[in-house]
Amino acid sequence: GENVEQHPSTLSVQEGDSAVIKCTYSDSASNYFPWYKQELGKGPQLIIDIRSNVGEKKDQRIAVTLNKTAKHFSLHITETQPEDSAVYFCAASRGNEKLTFGTGTRLTIIP
Amino acid sequence: NAGVTQTPKFRILKIGQSMTLQCTQDMNHNYMYWYRQDPGMGLKLIYYSVGAGITDKGEVPNGYNVSRSTTEDFPLRLELAAPSQTSVYFCASSLGASGITEAFFGQGTRLTVV
Repeated sequence: GENVEQHPSTLSVQEGDSAVIKCTYSDSASNYFPWYKQELGKGPQLIIDIRSNVGEKKDQRIAVTLNKTAKHFSLHITETQPEDSAVYFCAASRGNEKLTFGTGTRLTIIP
Repeated sequence: NAGVTQTPKFRILKIGQSMTLQCTQDMNHNYMYWYRQDPGMGLKLIYYSVGAGITDKGEVPNGYNVSRSTTEDFPLRLELAAPSQTSVYFCASSLGASGITEAFFGQGTRLTVV
């Protein structure tokens, strides 16, 4: 089955700087790659996703890049703000019911 | 708009006891899921349902059972609680399969088995 590795497990960034979280996947048939943000005491919430026919996608301060050849994808957050502090999960899917999640990255924004 | 509602939020069980985690959604989603989240392990799929009357096993189904009698409700049953089932449980729903559309998560149930 699919295996998703996520790095780093923790990341501290000065407010205003950029943050990058990286994931690799094993199943070359995976074609959908969402990113979820989990705030303390809450369930995960989708923040951005990318499909395998696209190399990059942006939404304001958030961007995701996908390298299908290398089987890795990354989340980029620019101009970080205190409200960006959370746990971020990447995931991969073949486009069916099953999402395989990474192990999460705890992002802390230092004021 | 309530979205996905889980009850209870917290529960302590003794080994061997049973309980049902409740999940209901008001978005008329066909797909519903149960995940468990252990520290440093991400989310693991326990069971899922593609519609009323249809359920299927996920990655870690042992020790759990589900039913889906209505579109709105997807309860998760623990029959003989074990310490290994100590975890945070999340219910989710999606309009299409979560592998192609956004999944909406509940706030979670923190379960401790002692």
